[in-house]
Amino acid sequence: GDSVTQMEGPVTLSEEACLTINCTYTATGYPSLFWYVQYPGEGLQLLLKATKADDKGSNKGFEATYRKETTSFHLEKGSVQVSDSAVYFCALFSSGGSYIPTFGRGTSLIVHP
Amino acid sequence: DTGVSQNPRHKITKRGQNVTFRCDPISEHNRLYWYRQTLGQGPEFLTYFQNEAQLEKSRLLSDRFSAERPKGSFSTLEIQRTEQGDSAMYLCASSVEETQYFGPGTRLLVL
Repeated sequence: GDSVTQMEGPVTLSEEACLTINCTYTATGYPSLFWYVQYPGEGLQLLLKATKADDKGSNKGFEATYRKETTSFHLEKGSVQVSDSAVYFCALFSSGGSYIPTFGRGTSLIVHP
Repeated sequence: DTGVSQNPRHKITKRGQNVTFRCDPISEHNRLYWYRQTLGQGPEFLTYFQNEAQLEKSRLLSDRFSAERPKGSFSTLEIQRTEQGDSAMYLCASSVEETQYFGPGTRLLVL
C-alpha cells in the first residue's frame, strides 16, 4: 500500500538558518503530494502541494519539488523564523481513486531566537 | 468560508462511558473525513463520507466506533464503552478535491 516516510525530529535550528525536512513516498500511479503544518493545539493546515512530477509547490517562503525519479518531496526554507516552529506532515493522495490520503508521522521543528 | 469546526474541543470521560463528537465542515465540501491522532504520530484514517454516504471505514476501527452524516452536512462520531486507549485527538477534515481542510480537533481523555 501507499506509505510516506519523513525524517525523525525534532529538528532544532537557530533563526535564519536553512531548513530541509526529508520526505520520501511509495505509491502506485501518480499521487499528488502535500505538506501540512500543525501549530500547537490546532488542526493541520495546508502549506503547499504539487500534483505532478517536477512541479514545485511554494508558500510563505517554503518550497518542495515533486521528484518522481527519487520518489521524494523534501521541504525547504532558506531562512527560518521562530514562528515556523511547528510539526510538519508530508502526505500523498493517490490517483488510484481511494480518496484517502496517507500521512507521514510528522517532523517537529523548533526554531530558537 | 468559516472553516471546519469541531465540538467539543476537549472531553474528559470515565472508562466505559459513551462520548459523541460533532464536526461541521465547510458548507460546499461533499467529502468529510475523521482521523485519530496520538502524540508523535500523523493522522490515522478512521472513516469518510461523500455527502451522506459512508464510503470507507478503516479495518482497524473497532465496532465501538460509529459515525453518521445524516443530511450530508455535519457529522457525528460516537465512541461507545470508552477505553483508556481511546485517548487521542480526533480530527475532522472536509474537502472537495484532494486538499483537506482540518478542524481544530477534539481532545479526548479517558480516565
